[in-house]
Amino acid sequence: SQKIEQNSEALNIQEGKTATLTCNYTNYSPAYLQWYRQDPGRGPVFLLLIRENEKEKRKERLKVTFDTTLKQSLFHITASQPADSATYLCALVGAGGTSYGKLTFGQGTILTVHP
Amino acid sequence: DAGVIQSPRHEVTEMGQEVTLRCKPISGHNSLFWYRQTMMRGLELLIYFNNNVPIDDSGMPEDRFSAKMPNASFSTLKIQPSEPRDSAVYFCASSPNYEQYFGPGTRLTVT
Repeated sequence: SQKIEQNSEALNIQEGKTATLTCNYTNYSPAYLQWYRQDPGRGPVFLLLIRENEKEKRKERLKVTFDTTLKQSLFHITASQPADSATYLCALVGAGGTSYGKLTFGQGTILTVHP
Repeated sequence: DAGVIQSPRHEVTEMGQEVTLRCKPISGHNSLFWYRQTMMRGLELLIYFNNNVPIDDSGMPEDRFSAKMPNASFSTLKIQPSEPRDSAVYFCASSPNYEQYFGPGTRLTVT
C-alpha cells in the first residue's frame, strides 16, 4: 500500500543551526511534492512545491530536495529561529491511478528551535 | 482576500445529531478539498471538487458523510447522524492550481 513517512515525530535544534526534515514514500509515483507548515490551532500553510523532474528548490532560508530514486525528499531550514517552531508536513500528489491529483499528507514532524 | 472561511469554528453536539460544516473558498480557485485531522490518523482527504463537481469521494468514511458544492463560493460537509468517533478538526482548502490554501478549521466534538 502507499505510504508516506516523515523521519521523526519531533526534532529539537538550537537556534542558528540547520534543521533537516525527511519525507520518505513507498509504492507511489508522485507528480510533485509539497511542504506545508502548521501552527497549533491553525490550518496548514503552503511553503514549497517541487516537481518530479526537479532536484532542488529554494525559497529564502528554505531548501527542498527531491530524489525519486531514493523516494525521498529533504526539507532544510537554514539559520533556524524560534519562530520556525511548528509542525511541518510533506504531501505528495500522485501522477496516475487512484492517487492522481490527490494530495496525501505525511504525519508531520514537530520542529522546536531553542533560543 | 480574506482567505478560506469556515464556520462554525467550534461545534459541540450530541451523538445522533446532524452536523453541517460550511466553507467559502478563495474567489477564483477552481478546486475545493475537505480534510479531517486527528492525532491518530493525521490529515486525511475526504472529498474534493473541481469546478463544483465532486471528483473523488473515496475518502468519505461512511454514508453518514455527504458533501455538496452548489456554486463556486460555497460548500458544505454534512454528518448525519454524528458519532463520537467523528470528533476531529475538519479543514476546507481551495486551490487555484497546485498549492492548497487551508481554512482555520472546524473543531467538532461529538459527545
